[in-house]
Amino acid sequence: EIVLMQSPGTLSLSPGERATLSCRASQSVSSNYLAWYEQKPGQAPRLLIYGASTRATGIPDRFSGSGSGTHFTLTISRLEPEDFAVYYCHQYSGSPPYTFGQGTKVEIK
Amino acid sequence: QVQLVESGGGVVQPGRSLRLSCAASGFTFSDFAMHWVRQAPGKGLEWLAVISYRGDFKYYADSVKGRFTISRDNSKNTLYVQMNSLRDDDMGVYYCAREKTGGGVRLDYWGQGTLVTVSS
Repeated sequence: EIVLMQSPGTLSLSPGERATLSCRASQSVSSNYLAWYEQKPGQAPRLLIYGASTRATGIPDRFSGSGSGTHFTLTISRLEPEDFAVYYCHQYSGSPPYTFGQGTKVEIK
Repeated sequence: QVQLVESGGGVVQPGRSLRLSCAASGFTFSDFAMHWVRQAPGKGLEWLAVISYRGDFKYYADSVKGRFTISRDNSKNTLYVQMNSLRDDDMGVYYCAREKTGGGVRLDYWGQGTLVTVSS
């Protein structure tokens, strides 16, 4: 089973600042099989990034994904008030289980 | 528009069974693999199971293998999960999600979730 470790657990930032979220895998993950999701309280997760770096439909360009192998990054270039949420990485590489990271909470400083 | 609507959640005693449903609309259900994902109260997302578009391949997380069964009825555009021998740690919100391929695998649409409470 591939374990995904996200860091930091919580990121305290102000609107307008840059957020950098990390997702490290216990084994190499094909870039085609790494996605990022955003979840706000009481809501279902929303797809942000797939294929490690492709923005999903309707996702603003302040969100970007990068990385390969065992290290992936989600960057929010300038935080908007609606971006304060929990972010999860997810991998589908190789055989199931298709694991999620434990999440990074981006909170208002 | 694509819609996924879960139902069937509720309060159930430990050791009992429950079946959740996910009604799909707005797309050709039989063309897509489907997943179940859950979230315990205050916790992160946990992937549970996937079923291929024809229903002939199914995979499970170790935490539910042997107790949960994913299935689908393409004639009814509905996904199911039969949950047996429920435990306290099965409590949470259960989401169904559609798998999209092409350019990278992802879960592009999610239902709103249905809450399962396991309590005596």
